[in-house]
Amino acid sequence: EAGVAQSPRYKIIEKRQSVAFWCNPISGHATLYWYQQILGQGPKLLIQFQNNGVVDDSQLPKDRFSAERLKGVDSTLKIQPAKLEDSAVYLCASSLGSSGGAGETQYFGPGTRLLVL
Amino acid sequence: GENVEQHPSTLSVQEGDSAVIKCTYSDSASNYFPWYKQELGKRPQLIIDIRSNVGEKKDQRIAVTLNKTAKHFSLHITETQPEDSAVYFCAASRTGNQFYFGTGTSLTVIP
Repeated sequence: EAGVAQSPRYKIIEKRQSVAFWCNPISGHATLYWYQQILGQGPKLLIQFQNNGVVDDSQLPKDRFSAERLKGVDSTLKIQPAKLEDSAVYLCASSLGSSGGAGETQYFGPGTRLLVL
Repeated sequence: GENVEQHPSTLSVQEGDSAVIKCTYSDSASNYFPWYKQELGKRPQLIIDIRSNVGEKKDQRIAVTLNKTAKHFSLHITETQPEDSAVYFCAASRTGNQFYFGTGTSLTVIP
């Protein structure tokens, strides 16, 4: 099966500019996650969608970050305006999202490497 | 929310030796514990996972143990090989698929 797709793979912007990342999950996966991975650290969950609804966005800096998954498939993550500390890899992941039970295997995309100058 | 701690942050072993990485978690409701391997510049890849109704799981040279009472779980790699060199992340999740990752362990296997 096709994996999680992300674009762009790399992005360099200046601080205060805006940037958007796109993610296409594995077909049929209801749950989609956006993570921020700063160099040398583990992925930090930014937002989790179940279909087109938000399950958890408690760690999303809502003053500058926004995300949507309007049709319950693709998702976009936007940063506006960007700060130097936003330099990181932004990983998208998806899982089946069946209701109830223990957690499910997440499949990660290749990530978008963002550098803010 | 959940807090996952991972130790050690770096680990060097001789080829053929064993490597052990430990994680602790804080949320007693967490019931799924995956381990991911991330090579430099690549995406995290699931290598093994364990659910809270099991105490140990093994897959060839890799094993994971879970102690629910103490709220810790460990990754064991036996007969290490140079290709095992990577960063390993543990994670904890509960029903609803909310994942929290550890800070990572950089494993170096010395030939």
